[in-house]
Amino acid sequence: KAGVTQTPRYLIKTRGQQVTLSCSPISGHRSVSWYQQTPGQGLQFLFEYFSETQRNKGNFPGRFSGRQFSNSRSEMNVSTLELGDSALYLCASSNIPGLEKNIQYFGAGTRLSVL
Amino acid sequence: LAKTTQPISMDSYEGQEVNITCSHNNIATNDYITWYQQFPSQGPRFIIQGYKTKVTNEVASLFIPADRKSSTLSLPRVSLSDTAVYYCLVGGGSNYQLIWGAGTKLIIKP
Repeated sequence: KAGVTQTPRYLIKTRGQQVTLSCSPISGHRSVSWYQQTPGQGLQFLFEYFSETQRNKGNFPGRFSGRQFSNSRSEMNVSTLELGDSALYLCASSNIPGLEKNIQYFGAGTRLSVL
Repeated sequence: LAKTTQPISMDSYEGQEVNITCSHNNIATNDYITWYQQFPSQGPRFIIQGYKTKVTNEVASLFIPADRKSSTLSLPRVSLSDTAVYYCLVGGGSNYQLIWGAGTKLIIKP
């Protein structure tokens, strides 16, 4: 079974631009979560989607948004990029709705550099 | 929301047993404790999950005391390839908000 696929792997953008990242979950997984990882802040939860609905959202500004399609693929968008948005963006999928026993499977991430 | 605390770094030697402890004083009744391993430029990888007492799989053991306010990941006979960052994760219960610890950077020396 193929793992979680994130595209692109690397991106370079300039301040003020917008960017869209894509995530294809493991086949059959309906929950997709997004994280931002930076050296100083560690893993920060962005949001989680299940069956095309955003179930929860972390403490990020409205410039960060996402969506999920009927095939469970997900995209996240960052508008008006800032230098501080440079980070590794990770997507994780899981096949159990709810969190208590939720095991997440991560993609390799998209490394975004904002210049 | 449960918050976790882990040592920032640890080092050990090949062949030794390594124990990493995570503190989660505000864990909720229905929260599980999950540990992940992360290598540079890769996403975290699931290691082990537990609710109480002891859980063991082919790569690690997880010890959880009765009060569940902490947990200890035990890696038997580590090798150089176990050098990585290890994260302790406590489930958000009904709220789903996932709280990740800062991670423990484990360095294994020959």
